[in-house]
Parts: sequence; C-alpha cells; structure tokens
Amino acid sequence: GAVVSQHPSRVICKSGTSVKIECRSLDFQATTMFWYRQFPKKSLMLMATSNEGSKATYEQGVEKDKFLINHASLTLSTLTVTSAHPEDSSFYICSAKPSGRGFGEQFFGPGTRLTVL
Amino acid sequence: GEDVEQSLFLSVREGDSSVINCTYTDSSSTYLYWYKQEPGAGLQLLTYIFSNMDMKQDQRLTVLLNKKDKHLSLRIADTQTGDSAIYFCAESTPSGSARQLTFGSGTQLTVLP
Repeated sequence: GAVVSQHPSRVICKSGTSVKIECRSLDFQATTMFWYRQFPKKSLMLMATSNEGSKATYEQGVEKDKFLINHASLTLSTLTVTSAHPEDSSFYICSAKPSGRGFGEQFFGPGTRLTVL
Repeated sequence: GEDVEQSLFLSVREGDSSVINCTYTDSSSTYLYWYKQEPGAGLQLLTYIFSNMDMKQDQRLTVLLNKKDKHLSLRIADTQTGDSAIYFCAESTPSGSARQLTFGSGTQLTVLP
C-alpha cells in the first residue's frame, strides 16, 4: 500500500510553454501533499505544501504565480510550471502524507524530470 | 536556520557494514529520518528516531543519535548490492505553524562485489 504516482515521468518542453505535473495517492487519502525540487547532488528543496481544499503554502523564494498548485481532491495535487524557462529544468518530486499519520511518514512519488529547451 | 549535512559518497564491499553520517543544526528537531532513493524512484522511508532516543535498531539497520553533538548515523549491517542507492537524512523542523522536512544532500552508497 501507500503508493504515490506522478505523471508524466519525463517531459521536454520549449521555453515559454506551461507544463502540468500530476501527483496522485493511489490507495490512501492525503489531506496534505508536498512539492519538492531536487537539483543534481543536492538535497530536496521544499517548494510548497498543498492542502486539500485550500491555498498552497509556498516556501520563501518560490514564486506562487510561476508554480501553480491545485489540490482539488484528497488524492490529487497538480503543479503547473507556467512560462517555463531553462532554469526551471529540474527533478520535481511530490509526496503525500496519509491523513492522521506522522509528519515523516510521507510517501514519495517517483519524480518528474522537466527539461526546458 | 536549518542545515543538514552529509558526505556525498560512500563505497563499501559486499558483506561489510556501511555507516552513513549526518549532522544537523536545529536543536528543536523532534524526529530524525533516514530515506532511501533508488534510481528513478521516489524516496522510501527506512527508519526514524525520536529525539529523546539514543539508538534504534531494525533488522540490519541501526540508527545512532548523539543529540549533544547533533550527529545522526545509519549503520547497515551485511551490506548487499541491493543497498546501493542514495540515502538522505532529514529532520522535522518548524515552519510557521506547521513542520517541514529538511533534507541533507544525500549520500550515494555504492556496494562493490
């Protein structure tokens, strides 16, 4: 149990286009989902915390208008990178915390590799 | 601010023990975690330790915590080739009214035959 999927796993797009990444908890409900960005040989950087039915909480330095997050249901959160530029190229990972579970018990998706040309 | 540090690489021979070290700075951490990331996969929670514990053992995994020195280690006994992965330590730190995970940069463990 406790599987989190991400779609797509890999995307290549042209500069200026928008890209949507989906994060789904397949067999549990998650009131809270998290979006991370991982640079090569770097730790995961929390971008935002997504709460079902309310606005996402963004970390300092993360542009909310550029990285749009929607958490419309207990099993789905989406991250849209708007007007993507080459510096947005990265590995984006989501995680989901089952309702009522401890904070560290987040289940991570396999990640989405975004390449902006 | 929070800072979690790990060495980037570790190589061991199959059958030997691996010890991955981590230091952190936030003394308000309540839980500390170890995650494993295999290529192309998400992070998998391996184990965690509460900040008032010194040691936790789970099968081949032993976590040691030195709260005074803010030092955390993960020992893998009888390391196997399937243990090759990136290992992240993380601490749970306050973020506004909530908490967040702060990750180290990960240690790439390579198990040699």
